[in-house]
Amino acid sequence: AQSVTQPDIHITVSEGASLELRCNYSYGATPYLFWYVQSPGQGLQLLLKYFSGDTLVQGIKGFEAEFKRSQSSFNLRKPSVHWSDAAEYFCAVGGYQKVTFGTGTKLQVIP
Amino acid sequence: GAVVSQHPSRVICKSGTSVKIECRSLDFQATTMFWYRQFPKQSLMLMATSNEGSKATYEQGVEKDKFLINHASLTLSTLTVTSAHPEDSSFYICSAAQGTSSNQPQHFGDGTRLSIL
Repeated sequence: AQSVTQPDIHITVSEGASLELRCNYSYGATPYLFWYVQSPGQGLQLLLKYFSGDTLVQGIKGFEAEFKRSQSSFNLRKPSVHWSDAAEYFCAVGGYQKVTFGTGTKLQVIP
Repeated sequence: GAVVSQHPSRVICKSGTSVKIECRSLDFQATTMFWYRQFPKQSLMLMATSNEGSKATYEQGVEKDKFLINHASLTLSTLTVTSAHPEDSSFYICSAAQGTSSNQPQHFGDGTRLSIL
């Protein structure tokens, strides 16, 4: 069975500081991995995705994620956080028919 | 590209009312659409998967007669919450997958906040 773990429920960072959100997955084959962002009361927006190839994936809004098979991880990073990045972030594993989401990490950005 | 529109964004209605939520893919054909429910401070729970022209596949524990799903075209799926009760109050989100490849990401609508009084 596939599963996703986001160990951090809530993270607070200062504006301009770097950010790393953790994601660990369990999947029986080569995983398809995604990061989504959700602003309050809204749907989810795809930040980036990994299917194969280069393990460092670039996404929108300056985000990137690195796939590490040996660690079963797909952590999301951003070098300098902006106040508008405050939101909830979901890591997901799977594909077309069955996507499993993590429980999310809520990001708070302080000035 | 890959825009999904969900309507309405918010519904408040009396207990016993049936509520219909629409999910449209605006600029692509969605072979498959998904319906999720999100409880406060929790992740998304897949309710059902619908393929155009066929019956939806419901996840275990989801009442088919309670949550009616219709996927009549490649750009429209509807979720009808029948005889809604306060425990049905939640945030419902749809998504659509483009094409049939297993590596296609799901594109999400903005969700519908359903409040049953």
